[in-house]
Amino acid sequence: RKEVEQDPGPFNVPEGATVAFNCTYSNSASQSFFWYRQDCRKEPKLLMSVYSSGNEDGRFTAQLNRASQYISLLIRDSKLSDSATYLCVVTTNAGKSTFGDGTTLTVKP
Amino acid sequence: DGGITQSPKYLFRKEGQNVTLSCEQNLNHDAMYWYRQDPGQGLRLIYYSQIVNDFQKGDIAEGYSVSREKKESFPLTVTSAQKNPTAFYLCASSTPGGPGLGDEQFFGPGTRLTVL
Repeated sequence: RKEVEQDPGPFNVPEGATVAFNCTYSNSASQSFFWYRQDCRKEPKLLMSVYSSGNEDGRFTAQLNRASQYISLLIRDSKLSDSATYLCVVTTNAGKSTFGDGTTLTVKP
Repeated sequence: DGGITQSPKYLFRKEGQNVTLSCEQNLNHDAMYWYRQDPGQGLRLIYYSQIVNDFQKGDIAEGYSVSREKKESFPLTVTSAQKNPTAFYLCASSTPGGPGLGDEQFFGPGTRLTVL
């Protein structure tokens, strides 16, 4: 079983839709959690950090459930420009980071 | 401008040759990382370094070597022992923090290595 697992996708949604991605992790020593966005053939870029209290940035909401060891990302009112691959990342207290395989989102007109 | 640079963007090598990929950062970050990404897959950790003169193996270190002699630099050598070296190589850096206090990683633009 992989240390970090994401919804396999792909997700194909119309503009304006709400879409949610989940990511589970197995290492209980994990202490930091992030969502990254990666466009085709580019480097990943930080989308948002994920905190236990949950956090929101415009149309994006991230949540962490430590008891169940999963994080989620909710995108509301999807835009064409949201089309990308979304990667969850989990970092342990020893500094080791593990990426999920990513979930591809395509937003269609 | 602060950032992470990787060079070159594209690199071609013959099978059996060692090749070194450069990664430089001027963000004053303590930690640096090397990842490999294959088509349609996520990033896999090769090596990481939390401080100068110290580094740890990641999940797929076999066939690779690194050094961390300076805070700004973390070069990766792909040796001839690496069975399938053709891939997209990404370098990142971060400032280690406590839970919820940062340690987000910032990535360089990557190097696409093709071994012929």
